[in-house]
Amino acid sequence: DVKVTQSSRYLVKRTGEKVFLECVQDMDHENMFWYRQDPGLGLRLIYFSYDVKMKEKGDIPEGYSVSREKKERFSLILESASTNQTSMYLCASNGQPLYNSPLHFGNGTRLTVT
Amino acid sequence: GESVGLHLPTLSVQEGDNSIINCAYSNSASDYFIWYKQESGKGPQFIIDIRSNMDKRQGQRVTVLLNKTVKHLSLQIAATQPGDSAVYFCADTGNQFYFGTGTSLTVIP
Repeated sequence: DVKVTQSSRYLVKRTGEKVFLECVQDMDHENMFWYRQDPGLGLRLIYFSYDVKMKEKGDIPEGYSVSREKKERFSLILESASTNQTSMYLCASNGQPLYNSPLHFGNGTRLTVT
Repeated sequence: GESVGLHLPTLSVQEGDNSIINCAYSNSASDYFIWYKQESGKGPQFIIDIRSNMDKRQGQRVTVLLNKTVKHLSLQIAATQPGDSAVYFCADTGNQFYFGTGTSLTVIP
């Protein structure tokens, strides 16, 4: 079974802090994704990566950056956390072809920014 | 632009009955469709997929039906159980990475 592991289940950070959310997948998938999920808004794509060191913006990239230095690891970075970034963050991966393979999700990191 | 959506935000079903969750899509070029299930406190899980050269695909207690003429997708769950209570999302090739708010299925014991 594909396993997507997010390093933290819960995080509490202060406004202005730099925050790193880490995600690792064990299926040698080329593609990895970061979403946030908020009540009434569903899942919204922040960024995705289709290869090491490659990234593409999703719907809501503002305030976020990403890093993919190794194939199995995809990090989401909040450069200066704000209260409106309090959310559930979900990482996902899939194989090829990019648009015709199901996504495999981690169980999420619930981030609270105070 | 292209979109994918679900017909109803909530659905309540009696335990043991069959459930039908519907989804409409707008991208006529889509050739691959997926259903996901998200239980409380977990990430979405892949349930079943179907390619456009098929009208129907069955899994364990689940069936997906695809009507390309009207661009409609449905997920049928047989003999619904309490463990089926979750939010269900559909996705299609053109919007593989874009999820709506899903349909929340509640199973009444």
